[in-house]
Amino acid sequence: DTEVTQTPKHLVMGMTNKKSLKCEQHMGHRAMYWYKQKAKKPPELMFVYSYEKLSINESVPSRFSPECPNSSLLNLHLHALQPEDSALYLCASSRNSLNIIGGNQPQHFGDGTRLSIL
Amino acid sequence: KNQVEQSPQSLIILEGKNCTLQCNYTVSPFSNLRWYKQDTGRGPVSLTIMTFSENTKSNGRYTATLDADTKQSSLHITASQLSDSASYICVVSQYSGGGADGLTFGKGTHLIIQP
Repeated sequence: DTEVTQTPKHLVMGMTNKKSLKCEQHMGHRAMYWYKQKAKKPPELMFVYSYEKLSINESVPSRFSPECPNSSLLNLHLHALQPEDSALYLCASSRNSLNIIGGNQPQHFGDGTRLSIL
Repeated sequence: KNQVEQSPQSLIILEGKNCTLQCNYTVSPFSNLRWYKQDTGRGPVSLTIMTFSENTKSNGRYTATLDADTKQSSLHITASQLSDSASYICVVSQYSGGGADGLTFGKGTHLIIQP
């Protein structure tokens, strides 16, 4: 079991649906991340939250909307997705530092939500 | 342009044998280099993190080396086990002087251990 918990593990949705992905950690980490990973590709950074504030948005389309309600939770709200958005969505966390993307701290990843868009 | 190149793309070895995976990068200025192991259907797990001043770091049967002059790193796996079958991803962090470091991911090496 990982220390970062993601739900659901699998999600199938239509292009007109609205759904949310959830991520939770109780390690006291203050930096949290969303990544998108296509098959046989490395993870691609989408968003970074530092102290519950959005610090990095890697030009992600507005149909993906992140939310960090508190220091332990990170959500990704999905609306009007496209078939090419089908992928594994990974959440990660790290102990925050001046260097927002983890500095020399390891990132702890969840096992992801496998998303399929019909 | 920051790049991280990993080789080989895939590797098959027999259980009990050793192997070495390579990572070359052009990221500058350098902050740190990480190796992750990603099992199929799971999230990546951190194996090692090395800064500029570190030449080698071990984590059990995994030993990573770093040559910051030639911008090369290797991950050596000793006495491989079936559970070592996974993708191994090299990630290099670019120092931003106090702002948000950029992370550049390699495409990974897919390792298969055969009994």
